[in-house]
Amino acid sequence: KAGVTQTPRYLIKTRGQQVTLSCSPISGHRSVSWYQQTPGQGLQFLFEYFSETQRNKGNFPGRFSGRQFSNSRSEMNVSTLELGDSALYLCASSLVGAGDTGELFFGEGSRLTVL
Amino acid sequence: AQSVTQLDSHVSVSEGTPVLLRCNYSSSYSPSLFWYVQHPNKGLQLLLKYTSAATLVKGINGFEAEFKKSETSFHLTKPSAHMSDAAEYFCVVSDRNSGTYKYIFGTGTRLKVLA
Repeated sequence: KAGVTQTPRYLIKTRGQQVTLSCSPISGHRSVSWYQQTPGQGLQFLFEYFSETQRNKGNFPGRFSGRQFSNSRSEMNVSTLELGDSALYLCASSLVGAGDTGELFFGEGSRLTVL
Repeated sequence: AQSVTQLDSHVSVSEGTPVLLRCNYSSSYSPSLFWYVQHPNKGLQLLLKYTSAATLVKGINGFEAEFKKSETSFHLTKPSAHMSDAAEYFCVVSDRNSGTYKYIFGTGTRLKVLA
């Protein structure tokens, strides 16, 4: 069974640009969560999607948004990039329903550098 | 409110010696607890999880953790460290609230293994 796939793995943008990151969850997983990881702030929760609806949201400005498609794939978008948005963005999927023990399965992340 | 505290930001051990990574948690609910490992530029991988079954939990690569409710602790141990264990380790607490899980991540413990 394929794991969580994130694309692109690495990208470089300049301030003011926008970026879209993609996440394909494990087949059958219906929940997708996004996290931002930086050396200073650690792992911070961005949002979680289930059945194309945002179920939970972290404390990030409105420049950070996401969506989930009917096949459970998810995208997150960051507009008007700032230097502080440089981070590793991690996507995690989880099984919802029978057999769900709450485990998160992580992708390898998308490393964003903002210049 | 939930919280998790990893008591050491850095731990150094010699190869072949025991590993102890400490985690204390606070939860109003009956929590699920997880340990994840992250190697450089990689996503997080689940080492083990406690979900209200046996209090001594065995995980991958020889790691285990003991859930101690009276001490609100979930320390991670391994009898003999290997060079490949050098990584960052995250303790995570979650609960089920209205059918969703919310996850609180510790700040991480970086494990260094000396030859």
